[in-house]
Amino acid sequence: DQQVKQNSPSLSVQEGRISILNCDYTNSMFDYFLWYKKYPAEGPTFLISISSIKDKNEDGRFTVFLNKSAKHLSLHIVPSQPGDSAVYFCAAQPGNTPLVFGKGTRLSVIA
Amino acid sequence: DGGITQSPKYLFRKEGQNVTLSCEQNLNHDAMYWYRQDPGQGLRLIYYSQIVNDFQKGDIAEGYSVSREKKESFPLTVTSAQKNPTAFYLCASLAGGPNYGYTFGSGTRLTVV
Repeated sequence: DQQVKQNSPSLSVQEGRISILNCDYTNSMFDYFLWYKKYPAEGPTFLISISSIKDKNEDGRFTVFLNKSAKHLSLHIVPSQPGDSAVYFCAAQPGNTPLVFGKGTRLSVIA
Repeated sequence: DGGITQSPKYLFRKEGQNVTLSCEQNLNHDAMYWYRQDPGQGLRLIYYSQIVNDFQKGDIAEGYSVSREKKESFPLTVTSAQKNPTAFYLCASLAGGPNYGYTFGSGTRLTVV
């Protein structure tokens, strides 16, 4: 049973436009949500996080939005750059237990 | 320079052999984790350890074993009981709080030949 779902395996966006990556979750006990970026044959790198008590967190070109009632979060990248092309993983944490990851969305930013 | 070192980067295993993947960190993190990545499957938790000499099974622990004798080291053994071991293996450790998530190593690609 998948607790963290990324329903779009891939997304293509033109350079300079907005990229929106979506993530849904089922466990209402999740209290932290994180986004990771991963290049092929490398480990994921932390991008941005949000606590369940907030609905928005911003860091430069990256903004994460959380809608608790819908159990949905999204990552916005504005403006998208070719270097943003990677696989993005949504992850969630219920208390002091290991992160639960989604299956990832491959973002391609086209110049 | 602090970080997590996984070795080797590429590993080939014959059918029926056990192999051990190394994971070392100099970040002074208490908790360490092993995940497996398969195409289209995301990251699945194999084992984790929150303190030295203690570890717990994750979602897909069958066919794997770990040890945590030192804070810095968390090796993963892929045994012959693991039916489909070909995958990309990632080791991680936990920073100070959940808002920073994990620090990951660069991974080991294991291939059964």
